[in-house]
Amino acid sequence: AQKVTQAQTEISVVEKEDVTLDCVYETRDTTYYLFWYKQPPSGELVFLIRRNSFDEQNEISGRYSWNFQKSTSSFNFTITASQVVDSAVYFCALSEGVIQGAQKLVFGQGTRLTINP
Amino acid sequence: DVKVTQSSRYLVKRTGEKVFLECVQDMDHENMFWYRQDPGLGLRLIYFSYDVKMKEKGDIPEGYSVSREKKERFSLILESASTNQTSMYLCASSLWPGQEAFFGQGTRLTVV
Repeated sequence: AQKVTQAQTEISVVEKEDVTLDCVYETRDTTYYLFWYKQPPSGELVFLIRRNSFDEQNEISGRYSWNFQKSTSSFNFTITASQVVDSAVYFCALSEGVIQGAQKLVFGQGTRLTINP
Repeated sequence: DVKVTQSSRYLVKRTGEKVFLECVQDMDHENMFWYRQDPGLGLRLIYFSYDVKMKEKGDIPEGYSVSREKKERFSLILESASTNQTSMYLCASSLWPGQEAFFGQGTRLTVV
């Protein structure tokens, strides 16, 4: 069955520390997509990154980086030199095609990240 | 810009009432989703739909039904609201499985 697990419920670090958010997924499909979203205190969900199952190349965007490893079914997210503005709830998500282009998109439980000044 | 609009930000309903949560998207997206968000439980998928042809149960469909008579509109129905359905409800849409989903602003429903 399709499932996403974010084992870290809450993380609290001091500003400028590096922090890694873990995401482990389960799927039987060979074609699937992984996502990270950010939900700041204002509540709206902000898309951060998408990865397909055939592209294991790691990605870096400024202070953000993502490590996708199919061997361990993980898609971890690292923030380097964290800032107070990074404080938010972060969600990992998994999308599978169902039939005829339909999509089932499931989310993990989320990790609440607090960056203290 | 893609826009997903939920009809209400806040709703208060009484136990046993029939409740309709409406969601409209303006980008001709095939896929639409309803989630509920509760602290510590993340976003849990209630129902999803592909155009008007297909509606499928998600992980927690009990107590809910959906309607999608037009491609742009996806309604969540609580047949008989109960207090354990008090939650934040989020609607989303996407074009195809590899595209990110776009979310509405959410409806905070309180059942008293």
